[in-house]
Amino acid sequence: EDQVTQSPEALRLQEGESSSLNCSYTVSGLRGLFWYRQDPGKGPEFLFTLYSAGEEKEKERLKATLTKKESFLHITAPKPEDSATYLCAVHNQAGTALIFGKGTTLSVSS
Amino acid sequence: DAGVIQSPRHEVTEMGQEVTLRCKPISGHNSLFWYRQTMMRGLELLIYFNNNVPIDDSGMPEDRFSAKMPNASFSTLKIQPSEPRDSAVYFCASSLGYQETQYFGPGTRLLVL
Repeated sequence: EDQVTQSPEALRLQEGESSSLNCSYTVSGLRGLFWYRQDPGKGPEFLFTLYSAGEEKEKERLKATLTKKESFLHITAPKPEDSATYLCAVHNQAGTALIFGKGTTLSVSS
Repeated sequence: DAGVIQSPRHEVTEMGQEVTLRCKPISGHNSLFWYRQTMMRGLELLIYFNNNVPIDDSGMPEDRFSAKMPNASFSTLKIQPSEPRDSAVYFCASSLGYQETQYFGPGTRLLVL
């Protein structure tokens, strides 16, 4: 069964304290891995798509990487406005559904 | 572009009542998805349409749930009769193709008393 597991469930950082979020996946043929950001009371906001192992994407303080078993979302020198829940999702080869993890809730304090 | 539009943003109803949620996808997108989000189960796909045709409704919990897409710019998700366990946030998303990046609306927060 296709599955996505994110860790940790919650992460508290001080402003400027870099860290990484993990997304482990088991899927029958990865067609794409997606990262979304979700703020309270809002819909998920698209961040990145990764398609193959070794691929990396960057946006401001965020960098997403992909291996054959997991993806990392690296946050460099985070700011309070980076506080949100980060969701990981995968598409398998059949592509019938986007399978989401439960998310990591990040809190960055100044 | 205005993005995916959903209405209402909040809905409070009593058990047994009919609830209709509405969605307008991004213009030009031909795939539309309905999701439900709860603390316990996270985001779950209920149904998706491609070119206005329902492709996969295996996530629809039971016959009380139905969805339609009469044209490329409008979709509804109906719950009849509603039950307290239906309380959740319902999201609509759209994409250029069913395996392309999905863009989400702001959601409808449903509370069934």
